[in-house]
Amino acid sequence: DTGVSQDPRHKITKRGQNVTFRCDPISEHNRLYWYRQTLGQGPEFLTYFQNEAQLEKSRLLSDRFSAERPKGSFSTLEIQRTEQGDSAMYLCASSRAVVLETQYFGPGTRLLVL
Amino acid sequence: GDSVTQMEGPVTLSEEAFLTINCTYTATGYPSLFWYVQYPGEGLQLLLKATKADDKGSNKGFEATYRKETTSFHLEKGSVQVSDSAVYFCALSDDKAAGNKLTFGGGTRVLVKP
Repeated sequence: DTGVSQDPRHKITKRGQNVTFRCDPISEHNRLYWYRQTLGQGPEFLTYFQNEAQLEKSRLLSDRFSAERPKGSFSTLEIQRTEQGDSAMYLCASSRAVVLETQYFGPGTRLLVL
Repeated sequence: GDSVTQMEGPVTLSEEAFLTINCTYTATGYPSLFWYVQYPGEGLQLLLKATKADDKGSNKGFEATYRKETTSFHLEKGSVQVSDSAVYFCALSDDKAAGNKLTFGGGTRVLVKP
């Protein structure tokens, strides 16, 4: 199975610490998306890449958040100086750069900030 | 901006009952519509989609018809099974939105009892 993978699956951290998550998309997909899902809510768009270029960022993505996709393959999402409100499931999805192409989701990284 | 509204859950049904989950949307452009499903402990999976008005998406016995006149995309299944217990998300991708990002509803939890 060569689906979208995310690492780690779970992360517990203390407030104020930095955390980094990784996403490996389906290999032939050149678009990669990050979403955030809080408990009992639907996922909300954070940002997306086409190849290595970050083309859009949501207003939800404060300056404590940074995402990279340096070689157009895997991506990292870093949260600096975490806050309790950052506790959520962080989802990664990938797709081909075709109009309205289906996005395939990874299992997510669940973050708990104490 | 774009938004998706779906009926709140939980919805509790007996096996072989008829399931309907309502979904309505607002969009700036001409959206494609999706239903994603999240089974316990698993990631989001695409259940079905429809890309233009009057299209019917179907999969695993589930159906939804793209109704532009009522801006709706209700999910139906004629006879549910215990294995259909999951959280169902309605979503849209607007052709005016950069990168085809998805806008999700809040999710509807469905519990099917034997």
